[in-house]
Amino acid sequence: AQSVTQLDSHVSVSEGTPVLLRCNYSSSYSPSLFWYVQHPNKGLQLLLKYTSAATLVKGINGFEAEFKKSETSFHLTKPSAHMSDAAEYFCVSDSNYQLIWGAGTKLIIKP
Amino acid sequence: DTEVTQTPKHLVMGMTNKKSLKCEQHMGHRAMYWYKQKAKKPPELMFVYSYEKLSINESVPSRFSPECPNSSLLNLHLHALQPEDSALYLCASSLQGLGNDGYTFGSGTRLTVV
Repeated sequence: AQSVTQLDSHVSVSEGTPVLLRCNYSSSYSPSLFWYVQHPNKGLQLLLKYTSAATLVKGINGFEAEFKKSETSFHLTKPSAHMSDAAEYFCVSDSNYQLIWGAGTKLIIKP
Repeated sequence: DTEVTQTPKHLVMGMTNKKSLKCEQHMGHRAMYWYKQKAKKPPELMFVYSYEKLSINESVPSRFSPECPNSSLLNLHLHALQPEDSALYLCASSLQGLGNDGYTFGSGTRLTVV
């Protein structure tokens, strides 16, 4: 069965420093992968998606993610954190008609 | 238009009430979804409509009744809910039902059952 594991439930970084949110997936085929962001009391916004094209995917707000098949990983990065990045981040895989969700990582930005 | 619009944003209802949640998109997407999200948890799939036909019902209690009147609209009718049904209800759409084109989510309806 497919699964998505987000390796950290909370990540805390200082404003202006790099962000790394880790995600591993398991799938019997090469899946489509997504990162979504959810700000407090808001809906979900698609940050970026990987669909078997370029392995380095650029998203909105300066985020990017790299698909590494050998490591079954799809980590999300940003060179410099901003206070507005504080939110919950979900790594998601697809499985025909359904999305497989990671448990989420709460990103905390320290001033 | 690149949005999924959900109304109302907030809803408080008693356990004997009947209410409806509404979702609308004008992106030409042919798959629409209802999700339920409890605090600090990822969304859980409830229903999938593909080309206006119900294709997936994730064993949701009958007190939740979905309806897809046309390709742009999705409703969720609520009746005799329980306090544990209080949650954020999210609507989403995708171009087709295969998921790999990405899903567009609405901002949700925060439901409180009293």
